[in-house]
Amino acid sequence: DQQVKQNSPSLSVQEGRISILNCDYTNSMFDYFLWYKKYPAEGPTFLISISSIKDKNEDGRFTVFLNKSAKHLSLHIVPSQPGDSAVYFCAAGGGGGSNYKLTFGKGTLLTVNP
Amino acid sequence: KAGVTQTPRYLIKTRGQQVTLSCSPISGHRSVSWYQQTPGQGLQFLFEYFSETQRNKGNFPGRFSGRQFSNSRSEMNVSTLELGDSALYLCASSRGPETQYFGPGTRLLVL
Repeated sequence: DQQVKQNSPSLSVQEGRISILNCDYTNSMFDYFLWYKKYPAEGPTFLISISSIKDKNEDGRFTVFLNKSAKHLSLHIVPSQPGDSAVYFCAAGGGGGSNYKLTFGKGTLLTVNP
Repeated sequence: KAGVTQTPRYLIKTRGQQVTLSCSPISGHRSVSWYQQTPGQGLQFLFEYFSETQRNKGNFPGRFSGRQFSNSRSEMNVSTLELGDSALYLCASSRGPETQYFGPGTRLLVL
């Protein structure tokens, strides 16, 4: 049972435009959410996180939105740059006493074209 | 501050062998988690250690085990390797219960 889902395996956008990556979850006990970026042959790099008590968190070009009622979160990258091309993973944690266990989606490959 | 380090970076083993992977967390981080990444399954949680104790375990067979030392360094062991164990093994460390920081991973190939 996949508790965190990224339904788009890939996304292609033009440089300078907005990239929107989506993530859905099923476990209402999750209380924090993170986005990681991963380049080939490297470990995931933390990008941004959001607690379940917030609905938006912003850090530079990256903004994460959380809609708890829909169990949905999204990552907006504005403006997109070619260096943003990577696999993006959504992760959720907390709930059920397993605060240090992250459950990951399968990732979305973002390609930003010059 | 140095990041999470993992050794070795690449490893080739044959079926039936065992392997030990090592992880050094960020200084001051006492929690170390291990994940397996495969193309079909994404990142799957293996286990988490804190103060030399395993606090949480994922759904992996008993062939996968780990330990943590008093300096927070951690090792992961896989015994009786199978072809399906070929994967990228990632270690992550954290200070608190939220953000985890990942190492570069160990790429294991089982032949």
